[in-house]
Amino acid sequence: EVQLVESGGGLVQPGGSLRLSCAASGFTFSDYYMDWVRQAPGKGLEWVGRIRHRASRYTTEYAASVNGRFTVSRDDSKRSLYLQMNSLKIEDTAVYYCARDLGASGVDYWGQGTLVTVSS
Amino acid sequence: DIQMTQSPSSLSASVGDRVTITCRASQGIRNDLGWYQQKPGKAPKRLIYAASSLQSGVPSRFSGSGSGTEFTLTISSLQPEDFATYYCLQHDSYPITFGHGTRLEIK
Repeated sequence: EVQLVESGGGLVQPGGSLRLSCAASGFTFSDYYMDWVRQAPGKGLEWVGRIRHRASRYTTEYAASVNGRFTVSRDDSKRSLYLQMNSLKIEDTAVYYCARDLGASGVDYWGQGTLVTVSS
Repeated sequence: DIQMTQSPSSLSASVGDRVTITCRASQGIRNDLGWYQQKPGKAPKRLIYAASSLQSGVPSRFSGSGSGTEFTLTISSLQPEDFATYYCLQHDSYPITFGHGTRLEIK
């Protein structure tokens, strides 16, 4: 069974930093692209970023709203995905989901999410 | 960026009804589209991939169609567990973008 479990969310002040983690199990993590998607309270879904697998040289893509502030990384040996968030803004407040990405077939499985609140 | 215009934004229907939700892409995305169901406090669940392929384990009352710029999700006979919010997602080009969602409510 595919499982994705996010952690690391919490309350942070504007301008601060936070690192989210996503632990994967039930599939060969190293074979897949992985994404982060967020959802502000009461709002829709917003794609944040993607990291490809080793065969694609771990290349990344980001939404314009986070480019230069957020960094997606992975550690295949630990079956883990990360999101380093710097220079956080109030509008970054959201539930952050990690998701498995099949590339040409899109996102299939999602974690349960972790809440990030940016507030003074 | 590709804009995904999803309609309607909300819909009231009864158990047993047939409902259709539409997503229109601002430019052609081939069939690089998925449909997702989200219930309150839960993660999204994929229903349809490649515009018309049913995700394993998803009931056959869900179906998708379309290609290019016009896509539909149809639920043939609503069940009580289907009342939720539905999103389309395009992954043809970056940034990946979602429709704004359709909230399906019980009439």
